[in-house]
Amino acid sequence: DGGITQSPKYLFRKEGQNVTLSCEQNLNHDAMYWYRQDPGQGLRLIYYSQIVNDFQKGDIAEGYSVSREKKESFPLTVTSAQKNPTAFYLCATSPTGTNYGYTFGSGTRLTVV
Amino acid sequence: GDSVTQMEGPVTLSEEAFLTINCTYTATGYPSLFWYVQYPGEGLQLLLKATKADDKGSNKGFEATYRKETTSFHLEKGSVQVSDSAVYFCALSLLNDYKLSFGAGTTVTVRA
Repeated sequence: DGGITQSPKYLFRKEGQNVTLSCEQNLNHDAMYWYRQDPGQGLRLIYYSQIVNDFQKGDIAEGYSVSREKKESFPLTVTSAQKNPTAFYLCATSPTGTNYGYTFGSGTRLTVV
Repeated sequence: GDSVTQMEGPVTLSEEAFLTINCTYTATGYPSLFWYVQYPGEGLQLLLKATKADDKGSNKGFEATYRKETTSFHLEKGSVQVSDSAVYFCALSLLNDYKLSFGAGTTVTVRA
């Protein structure tokens, strides 16, 4: 079955450490996205990528970094510069050139202690 | 800019009640409209969509009609179940721009 795999589902890290969240897809979608969701809040776009080796900042990119070396993979690194990293992180994909909408992964809950 | 506005929650209903969640949009062109559902601890799932005016999207007993004249895409279900408890997000995308703009989400709780 085609889909999006986010791993791990739960992640704990000490304050000041960088951490990388994985997002892998086998849907053959060109575009990939990272969102942050805080409790009781909506979605905020962190980064997105429309094609391999290219990505753009979203609304809250500060303290985060991404790479897109392969079509299937779009890892997100939460750096020590992110002041409040504890949140639920969602990865999504979409084909380009259509209004297909997004397919979402099941999310990673990051807790920084 | 392009945006969607959803009714604020939370919404609490009894089982078998009628559910309406209002969604209005602002867009410079002719957007496609979507409803997504998020169950606790999970990612979002596409519930239904409509790509042009007067289209009706439907799925799992939910319906929404794309109303260009009122720039709305309200979500309705005639008889909710406890399993419908979730957060519902309205979203839009413009033709040739596949990025979605999401509303803030509406939390719905259905009591037995």
